[in-house]
Amino acid sequence: AQSVTQLGSHVSVSEGALVLLRCNYSSSVPPYLFWYVQYPNQGLQLLLKYTSAATLVKGINGFEAEFKKSETSFHLTKPSAHMSDAAEYFCAVRGFRGNTPLVFGKGTRLSVIA
Amino acid sequence: EAGVAQSPRYKIIEKRQSVAFWCNPISGHATLYWYQQILGQGPKLLIQFQNNGVVDDSQLPKDRFSAERLKGVDSTLKIQPAKLEDSAVYLCASSTNRGLGNEQFFGPGTRLTVL
Repeated sequence: AQSVTQLGSHVSVSEGALVLLRCNYSSSVPPYLFWYVQYPNQGLQLLLKYTSAATLVKGINGFEAEFKKSETSFHLTKPSAHMSDAAEYFCAVRGFRGNTPLVFGKGTRLSVIA
Repeated sequence: EAGVAQSPRYKIIEKRQSVAFWCNPISGHATLYWYQQILGQGPKLLIQFQNNGVVDDSQLPKDRFSAERLKGVDSTLKIQPAKLEDSAVYLCASSTNRGLGNEQFFGPGTRLTVL
């Protein structure tokens, strides 16, 4: 079975500060890991994904995440927060077969303070 | 290319009524998923289709929920009768079968409120 734990349901940062959203996973098979962003009243948009290639993954909007097998973590970071980054962020895991469903964490709401 | 389309965007019903949601996936995407997202939680898979066949419906409450994907394209999800706890956003997603890291593309969702 696979699962994801996102530490912190709400994170608040100042504009220009570092963003760090934490995600730990549990998987009995080599995982594929994803970060999605959800803006109010919208669907989920893929930020980035880890698929067993480079452990440091760069995504859209300046976000990146590092896969650390020893820590079973896939934390999302951005060096400098913008107001437009305020949204809900979801970490998700799935197996390596291409059409398996995603298992999501509970999400972390990011607030950016001017 | 056009994204995943869903309708309606919002629906308010009373408990014990029935409701149906519609999803049109991205053209050519063989796999279609329905997820339920309850407020404050991450999306949870309800059912997965491969073309017009069901791959996984283990988490679908079959006493009240049903879904179909006729002709392997559009899909409908139905709830009958609805309960208060069915209030959620219902997300449809689609993907191809090509590549190990293939992405799921999500629609905007249907927000259901059961009163």
